Formats: sequence, C-alpha cells, structure tokens
Amino acid sequence: AQKITQTQPGMFVQEKEAVTLDCTYDTSDQSYGLFWYKQPSSGEMIFLIYQGSYDEQNATEGRYSLNFQKARKSANLVISASQLGDSAMYFCAINDYKLSFGAGTTVTVRA
Amino acid sequence: DSGVTQTPKHLITATGQRVTLRCSPRSGDLSVYWYQQSLDQGLQFLIQYYNGEERAKGNILERFSAQQFPDLHSELNLSSLELGDSALYFCASSQLAGNRNEQFFGPGTRLTVL
Repeated sequence: AQKITQTQPGMFVQEKEAVTLDCTYDTSDQSYGLFWYKQPSSGEMIFLIYQGSYDEQNATEGRYSLNFQKARKSANLVISASQLGDSAMYFCAINDYKLSFGAGTTVTVRA
Repeated sequence: DSGVTQTPKHLITATGQRVTLRCSPRSGDLSVYWYQQSLDQGLQFLIQYYNGEERAKGNILERFSAQQFPDLHSELNLSSLELGDSALYFCASSQLAGNRNEQFFGPGTRLTVL
C-alpha cells in the first residue's frame, strides 16, 4: 500500500522568502509518480509539480521545485520568493493508478 | 481553470436521500477519478473509470456508485445519504491511466447532508 507522510501541519513564511514543505512516502513499487497540489481556501485542487521515480533531475515549475531523494523516499517541495497568494494547503501525493494524499501542510505567507 | 467541470457546485439534502454528481473531463482525457475530501478522513480515492470501464476501486461505500458514459462524462450516485457523507467531492481526469499521468481536478461539489 502506498503511504504519504507530511509532518508539518502548519507553517508561516515571510513574503519573498523560500519555504520547504516536507513529504516522505512509502511504496514497494519501482515505478511511481509524485505530485504536489495546492488547495487555496476556495477549495479547488491545483496541480503544481510532478516527479517521476525514474527522473534523474529534480523537477522545477517556475517558483516551485521538488527536492527528490529517492533513497530516502522524500519529495520535498520548495517554494521560492513566497507571495501572499501562496497561502494555501499543500498536498503531496503518490500515484500508482490513484492518488494517495498526505494530510497536507497549511502555509500562511505574512506580509 | 483545469478544464474539468463539475456540477452542481453545492448540494444540500437530507438524510436518506439520493443525489447525483456530474463530471466532464478535460477534452481528450479518457480517465476519470472520484475523490472524497472530509475533515476526518482527508482526501480519499473512491473510484476510477477509463474509457467507459471501471478501472479501480478505492474506499467507496456500497451505497455509492458511479459510471462513465460514451461521451466520457461521469456521474457519481450517492444514495441513502448519512450525515457523515457531507464532504467535498472531486472529480479528476487524466489523459491515460498510468502513474505518470497528472490528474487535473474539477472545482468540486460540496455536499451537505442535514
């Protein structure tokens, strides 16, 4: 069974600073995908970034980057230059055919 | 806008009733997934359809059923509703069904059972 652990229930970050959200996972599969989604207070789920288990380079998408350490089974999300609009809940997920989500981390960006 | 549409946006109903949630996937996506998000259980996978066929089942109750139609839209039917079924129900779609496919989520249907 797949499992995702997000140990930080809530984080505060100053505007324009970087923040790292932790995610560890447990799987016996060799081929899998790791995803991060953002859920603002309005409720929608927004896809941010994807990392494949066989990808050698860490994924980046604009201000989002994924620090993938396969041996440690971790896939931390780094948000650089935080903006007020980044305040949201962030979910890490692993995909074998369905997405299994972690409990999420709430990020609050302070001006 | 992800391109996935869900209707209705909000639904308020009473215990024991039956409701139908509707989802239209992104153009070209063959796979549809349903998820339930509640405060106590978090985000849970319910069921997946791929090109009209059921592909995988998760934590879906027997009172719930779903189908995907030839035009690829999907419906989630919830019957004999209980207070605990109150949740945000998401539909997501992806082009294919493998684990390397990003799933794009609709805006969700917020179900309140009174």
